[in-house]
Amino acid sequence: EVQVVESGGGLVQPGGSLTLSCKASGFDFSTYWMSWIRQAPGKGLEWVATIKPDGSESNYVDSVMGRFTASRDNAKNSFYLQMSSLAAEDTARYYCARRGYTPDHWGQGTLVIVSS
Amino acid sequence: DVVLTQAPLSSPVTLGQPASISCRSNQSLAHPDGNTFLNWFHQRPGQPPRLLLYKISNRFSGVPDRFSGSGAGTEFTLKISRVEAEDVGVYYCMQATYFPLTFGGGTKVEI
Repeated sequence: EVQVVESGGGLVQPGGSLTLSCKASGFDFSTYWMSWIRQAPGKGLEWVATIKPDGSESNYVDSVMGRFTASRDNAKNSFYLQMSSLAAEDTARYYCARRGYTPDHWGQGTLVIVSS
Repeated sequence: DVVLTQAPLSSPVTLGQPASISCRSNQSLAHPDGNTFLNWFHQRPGQPPRLLLYKISNRFSGVPDRFSGSGAGTEFTLKISRVEAEDVGVYYCMQATYFPLTFGGGTKVEI
């Protein structure tokens, strides 16, 4: 069974940093693009980042460029999102999803709250 | 960036009756490789989104055949042939032809 499980969310102060993790199982992780997609409370979906299978290339939404970095460790079947200079607007549930063009399996998400 | 506009914002539906959601793009979503990367998702309250359709009209694994998709270029439609109670929630279109990938604002379907 394909599964992705996010972790690492929590309460962080404005300007702070946080790293989210996504643990994958049930598929050949090293051959799939992976994505982070977020949803602010009561709002719609916003794509954040996508990374190639070998980790050589990532794409980001403009609002996180230079602050967020997606990475992966194929040996550990894990995908990460390093977030820095966090602002209130980054408060959201962050979902990990398999694939880039067609996110087909999503985790339950991990909640990030940026507040003093 | 590609802007996707969904209509209606909210759709009261009747069980057993059809429903339709529109997704319009501000530019053609046809990729040079011949594909059109337009996806549809369904999100129930408190749940992550679930992929329904990809590349306009292809049903994802396990999706009932009462869901269908159509369209081309800049105009796309999701249709539910006969609404069931489990179909309530918010539906989102998403384009993956261009970076940044973008979602429509969502359409809330309620009985």
